[in-house]
Amino acid sequence: AQSVAQPEDQVNVAEGNPLTVKCTYSVSGNPYLFWYVQYPNRGLQFLLKYITGDNLVKGSYGFEAEFNKSQTSFHLKKPSALVSDSALYFCAVRDGGGGFKTIFGAGTRLFVKA
Amino acid sequence: GAVVSQHPSRVICKSGTSVKIECRSLDFQATTMFWYRQFPKKSLMLMATSNEGSKATYEQGVEKDKFLINHASLTLSTLTVTSAHPEDSSFYICSAREKREGHQFFGPGTRLTVL
Repeated sequence: AQSVAQPEDQVNVAEGNPLTVKCTYSVSGNPYLFWYVQYPNRGLQFLLKYITGDNLVKGSYGFEAEFNKSQTSFHLKKPSALVSDSALYFCAVRDGGGGFKTIFGAGTRLFVKA
Repeated sequence: GAVVSQHPSRVICKSGTSVKIECRSLDFQATTMFWYRQFPKKSLMLMATSNEGSKATYEQGVEKDKFLINHASLTLSTLTVTSAHPEDSSFYICSAREKREGHQFFGPGTRLTVL
């Protein structure tokens, strides 16, 4: 069975500093990995995904994520945080070996202070 | 990009009534639609997966008679919460998987409050 872990409930960072939101996963086949962002009372917005190819994936709003197969991780990063990045971030995984369902992590709330 | 709409965005109903939530893919055909439920400050919990023209597949612990899902066409799925109770109050989010490349897009969510 596939699973996703986001070990941090909350991440605090000062504006202008780099940010990292952690994610580890478990799937039986090849992982399809995703990051989404959610603002209050809104649906999910897609940030980026990894299917195959380059381990460093660049996405929307300056975010990027690095796929690390040996550590089964897909951490979300941004070199310089903005106050407007404050939101709830979800990591998600789908089993690329024919899996149908996308499973979400518990979410990490990011606070960026001015 | 592809757009998924949900209607209504917010609904308040009395206990015992039924509520229908619509999910539409506006500019693409969706082979599969998913319904998620999100509790406050919690992650999305997959409730069911539906394919056009066939019965939905429910996740363990989700009552199929309570949460009726109909996937009538490649652009429309509905979730009906039957005989709603206060514990059904939640944020319901639908998602549609695009037929051509398999990308998954999310609706804006529907907040259901049962009094």
